[in-house]
Amino acid sequence: AQKVTQAQTEISVVEKEDVTLDCVYETRDTTYYLFWYKQPPSGELVFLIRRNSFDEQNEISGRYSWNFQKSTSSFNFTITASQVVDSAVYFCALSEARQAGTALIFGKGTTLSVSS
Amino acid sequence: NAGVTQTPKFQVLKTGQSMTLQCAQDMNHEYMSWYRQDPGMGLRLIHYSVGAGITDQGEVPNGYNVSRSTTEDFPLRLLSAAPSQTSVYFCASSSPNSRDSHEAFFGQGTRLTVV
Repeated sequence: AQKVTQAQTEISVVEKEDVTLDCVYETRDTTYYLFWYKQPPSGELVFLIRRNSFDEQNEISGRYSWNFQKSTSSFNFTITASQVVDSAVYFCALSEARQAGTALIFGKGTTLSVSS
Repeated sequence: NAGVTQTPKFQVLKTGQSMTLQCAQDMNHEYMSWYRQDPGMGLRLIHYSVGAGITDQGEVPNGYNVSRSTTEDFPLRLLSAAPSQTSVYFCASSSPNSRDSHEAFFGQGTRLTVV
């Protein structure tokens, strides 16, 4: 069975601090996809990144970076120099390759609060 | 572009009533799915579909029915609402064949309260 664990329920930081959100997953599939989504207080779900299981390159997009390590089944998300606008709930999700993008299994989310 | 449209946005039901949550997408996506979001539980998969005429159960399918007669629409039916079905429901669509391959596009959600 597939499972995604986000052990950090809530994180509070002060603006400009760096913060890492952890994500650990379980799957029996050899090919799968991992995702991060952001849910701001307004409630919509915003896609951040998709990673294939066969592509272990880390990725950086502006202040966001992702560290995918197959050996530890982790897909961690780091925000550098956090800002108040980063305050949101962040979800990590997993799907099988043959159903990629649908049938997502989500973690319970990490609520990030950034204060000024 | 409308993207994924869910109706209604808010609904209050009495226990035992039935209703259908509507979901429509205009991106010609093959894949569609329904999730429910409860406090502290994240999003949980209810049902999903990989094409017209094909549906499958997710993590929490009990109490919900779906059908997929067209590519565009994927309605979620509650046959006899229960207070445990009070939740925020999200519909999503995606495609393996588009430029945004595998990204799930979500609707704005339907907040359902069963009293």
